[in-house]
Amino acid sequence: ETGVTQTPRHLVMGMTNKKSLKCEQHLGHNAMYWYKQSAKKPLELMFVYNFKEQTENNSVPSRFSPECPNSSHLFLHLHTLQPEDSALYLCASSQTQGNRQPQHFGDGTRLSIL
Amino acid sequence: GNSVTQMEGPVTLSEEAFLTINCTYTATGYPSLFWYVQYPGEGLQLLLKATKADDKGSNKGFEATYRKETTSFHLEKGSVQVSDSAVYFCALSDQDNYGQNFVFGPGTRLSVLP
Repeated sequence: ETGVTQTPRHLVMGMTNKKSLKCEQHLGHNAMYWYKQSAKKPLELMFVYNFKEQTENNSVPSRFSPECPNSSHLFLHLHTLQPEDSALYLCASSQTQGNRQPQHFGDGTRLSIL
Repeated sequence: GNSVTQMEGPVTLSEEAFLTINCTYTATGYPSLFWYVQYPGEGLQLLLKATKADDKGSNKGFEATYRKETTSFHLEKGSVQVSDSAVYFCALSDQDNYGQNFVFGPGTRLSVLP
């Protein structure tokens, strides 16, 4: 039990579908993150939310739309995705007072685009 | 900007061998340093951390020392087991006006053979 729960664990969708990834943290953290992890590539930071406000959008295509309704929940809405978007999508959270606290990760959603 | 460099993998060792995975960093301030481990099908888990120069982080037989003079945080274990087979990520965090910034290395895959 990591304290960060991601659903679904696996998702297969067509390029014209719309789906959403969900992340929930039970750690009382105030920052949440989306990362993309592709085979043979470094971890890519996509979005950062601090106290529900988006503080970083790392040039992510608009077919990925994040939503953070409160400090415990984070969503990634997906539409009109491309085959190269197939990857493991990881959610993380942290407590951002000072720089000493680590991120806690969920187990990810394995996304496959047909 | 900040960056983290790790030795290229994969690293293949026999059980009970000594492990070193090199990590060096570039940072403008005084970052905290972390090692994460990712087992197959899972997210990243915090393995150990160090928050200031000369600190030694340790967990599950793994150790790493924060060396400011060489900007390094090498991961070591005296006797690896098959169950240590995973991908290891070195990371740093620092603080700016918006919150914490995390930077990850590309990861080093370790395979331990019986």
